[in-house]
Amino acid sequence: KQEVTQIPAALSVPEGENLVLNCSFTDSAIYNLQWFRQDPGKGLTSLLLIQSSQREQTSGRLNASLDKSSGRSTLYIAASQPGDSATYLCAYTSGTYKYIFGTGTRLKVLA
Amino acid sequence: EAGVAQSPRYKIIEKRQSVAFWCNPISGHATLYWYQQILGQGPKLLIQFQNNGVVDDSQLPKDRFSAERLKGVDSTLKIQPAKLEDSAVYLCASSLQSGRDQPQHFGDGTRLSIL
Repeated sequence: KQEVTQIPAALSVPEGENLVLNCSFTDSAIYNLQWFRQDPGKGLTSLLLIQSSQREQTSGRLNASLDKSSGRSTLYIAASQPGDSATYLCAYTSGTYKYIFGTGTRLKVLA
Repeated sequence: EAGVAQSPRYKIIEKRQSVAFWCNPISGHATLYWYQQILGQGPKLLIQFQNNGVVDDSQLPKDRFSAERLKGVDSTLKIQPAKLEDSAVYLCASSLQSGRDQPQHFGDGTRLSIL
């Protein structure tokens, strides 16, 4: 069964902290993995996409890594800001085009 | 470019009633997706269209859910009759083409509450 687990489910940190969100998956044959951001009442916005042949991707204060052998991905957010408050979802595709989503991590950055 | 448009934003109905959602994808996008996102969970793909043809509807509860994309542009998703467990946000997404490398662009969703 294809499963994606995200830990922690919720996180509250003071502004300025560096933080790590975790995503683990059971499928060893992933094609790519993507991190999304979802603001309350909104759709999903893609943050970073990592192909299976890559180990990490960076965009601004965000860095995502992928370790296929251990079935893990992490999203690192540097110098967090209140505007980073949102739910962060990871999702992967494998043999099909379908995204398999995790349940998300709800992040709150306190000013 | 205009994003994926969905309407209505919110809908409240009683169980056993019917409801329909509408999605207008980004202009030129051939592939359209409908997802169901239950509170506290990640989105689950219900159906994928490539132009006006169905690519995958394996997770669509076909006894009560139906979807169409007659002219290969706009799409509607219908539920008839609704059950309590259908309470969720229904997200529409589109991509230029199908395929695992194609980024999907999401609308803001329709939040459905079943009483």
